[in-house]
Amino acid sequence: GNSVTQMEGPVTLSEEAFLTINCTYTATGYPSLFWYVQYPGEGLQLLLKATKADDKGSNKGFEATYRKETTSFHLEKGSVQVSDSAVYFCALRNSGGSNYKLTFGKGTLLTVNP
Amino acid sequence: GAVVSQHPSWVICKSGTSVKIECRSLDFQATTMFWYRQFPKQSLMLMATSNEGSKATYEQGVEKDKFLINHASLTLSTLTVTSAHPEDSSFYICSAPLPGRGNNEQFFGPGTRLTVL
Repeated sequence: GNSVTQMEGPVTLSEEAFLTINCTYTATGYPSLFWYVQYPGEGLQLLLKATKADDKGSNKGFEATYRKETTSFHLEKGSVQVSDSAVYFCALRNSGGSNYKLTFGKGTLLTVNP
Repeated sequence: GAVVSQHPSWVICKSGTSVKIECRSLDFQATTMFWYRQFPKQSLMLMATSNEGSKATYEQGVEKDKFLINHASLTLSTLTVTSAHPEDSSFYICSAPLPGRGNNEQFFGPGTRLTVL
């Protein structure tokens, strides 16, 4: 079956530090990969996605590259801000059909201090 | 962007009572909605797929008679936790895919915190 493993948190950084949150996956076929972000008191929001190998998703300074050879989709940002403090979820969805089912990692809490 | 709301945002109830949680797509129609459950420091676990006009599809291990789902219209799905017990205390989240945006993007509600005493 499908599974997503992401690095355990919490992660605490100072403003302008470099961020990496690791994510690896197990899936059949060729899944689409996602990073979702959940700000305090809000629902999950799609941060970025990649639908095939070697694709790079990017948004708001965050990037992640779909690495099929290492089954990874690590999230990076060169310079974090206090406003990036949130819980980040890596997720996958199998390709094909109208199946929207997502498999999530456990989430990583990021706290950025000024 | 598309908005999905949930009501209530939190609820406290006594053991043995039933609790209804609503999930609404505010500015789009959703023939499918998803219900997730999230324990502290755990992942979101898909409970069921809510289908407008037909029965919900439950994931393995989820009790259909315990968690009743009704997709009443193209903008509303409800989850009723029947005869709730303390072990049902959790964070319940719904989501809906946005039509016409391919099959990759889902929009999530803010969640409902259920505490059963």
